[in-house]
Amino acid sequence: DTGVSQDPRHKITKRGQNVTFRCDPISEHNRLYWYRQTLGQGPEFLTYFQNEAQLEKSRLLSDRFSAERPKGSFSTLEIQRTEQGDSAMYLCASSLGGKSNQPQHFGDGTRLSIL
Amino acid sequence: KNQVEQSPQSLIILEGKNCTLQCNYTVSPFSNLRWYKQDTGRGPVSLTIMTFSENTKSNGRYTATLDADTKQSSLHITASQLSDSASYICVVSLTGFQKLVFGTGTRLLVSP
Repeated sequence: DTGVSQDPRHKITKRGQNVTFRCDPISEHNRLYWYRQTLGQGPEFLTYFQNEAQLEKSRLLSDRFSAERPKGSFSTLEIQRTEQGDSAMYLCASSLGGKSNQPQHFGDGTRLSIL
Repeated sequence: KNQVEQSPQSLIILEGKNCTLQCNYTVSPFSNLRWYKQDTGRGPVSLTIMTFSENTKSNGRYTATLDADTKQSSLHITASQLSDSASYICVVSLTGFQKLVFGTGTRLLVSP
């Protein structure tokens, strides 16, 4: 169990640029989640995959955001035409399917700073 | 509106002392309640998960309680250590949905 891995750990970019983050979940986990966390706040749900299917999306996920999990393993989160309000920590989590009380295991996030 | 509120916002205690963190929620339909520990710059780590029928659950020096009638939970930390300094986040899961509703956390500082 190598844990959930996210890349990069930090990303600094200019407003208007596109950015893409990657998440590698724990290998046997079929569920994968993306969250956004701003300073002093708890994480906010963005989207959820079961295998390769994106089953839930938050209203926070504007049309500039897109997430994929093409083979049911790793996932990418892309933000197009970044805005200063996109500055946040983007967290990925994974869990086993089945019972609803399975813990979500989080990665250490990608911190995005928009200049 | 589904909300999770935590108190206090921040807390400073001396090493070796006990403390209790509080969580109130207005989330429906309720599935389970979780406590996470988040160190600065790291992702949250699960401490406990309790379903509707569970009143208490322990994980080492951490003990969580749940009163589903009053929609309140607490996290008690015994014999605090410097490494307990972190944010503690109360999280509620909704039945039928995969999203979790997070509180804003209690920032705990354990002082030597």
